Amino acid sequence: NAGVTQTPKFQVLKTGQSMTLQCAQDMNHNSMYWYRQDPGMGLRLIYYSASEGTTDKGEVPNGYNVSRLNKREFSLRLESAAPSQTSVYFCASRKDVLYEQYFGPGTRLTVT
Amino acid sequence: GESVGLHLPTLSVQEGDNSIINCAYSNSASDYFIWYKQESGKGPQFIIDIRSNMDKRQGQRVTVLLNKTVKHLSLQIAATQPGDSAVYFCAENIMNRDDKIIFGKGTRLHILP
Repeated sequence: NAGVTQTPKFQVLKTGQSMTLQCAQDMNHNSMYWYRQDPGMGLRLIYYSASEGTTDKGEVPNGYNVSRLNKREFSLRLESAAPSQTSVYFCASRKDVLYEQYFGPGTRLTVT
Repeated sequence: GESVGLHLPTLSVQEGDNSIINCAYSNSASDYFIWYKQESGKGPQFIIDIRSNMDKRQGQRVTVLLNKTVKHLSLQIAATQPGDSAVYFCAENIMNRDDKIIFGKGTRLHILP
């Protein structure tokens, strides 16, 4: 049981490049989330998916897109990376409401 | 609007003493609250949660108190140990509306030897 896995662990992009961050969970959880964490800002919710086939915007969705590929996988795409998107990105999942979230190890993204 | 905040960004506590980390929330509709611990270089880890129909909940060495009147949440850690050094976040959720969980900025707990 690997929990929540994220790939890649580190990535450096040039401004304007695109990339997809991958997230998978093997706990049969319904809900999945993408957060970004900047120094002094805590975790900010980018997008979430309450169930397979649904996605909703969080606090800071601009510049990102997501895909809930199936129940296990939830990807985050940056179409045209900007330096302001330099951050650590965390994926999380939870079984349902009233249950805790489980977090992945994070992806450290630098945009130059 | 929805927001979760913390009173102190850094808290230094003597090893063996009790720690109290505070959190204020602004959305009176929030009815589920969670505390997370994040160690350096890792993702947040669940500590304890509480629903709005409770005012206190205890776990192993941790207690969460909820005061809905003043929209305040606190995490108490008993007999603080070096392994408790981390950043602690509170988070809030409005159940039965959506699945969105919003985090506060975090408090760094520093353990003094």
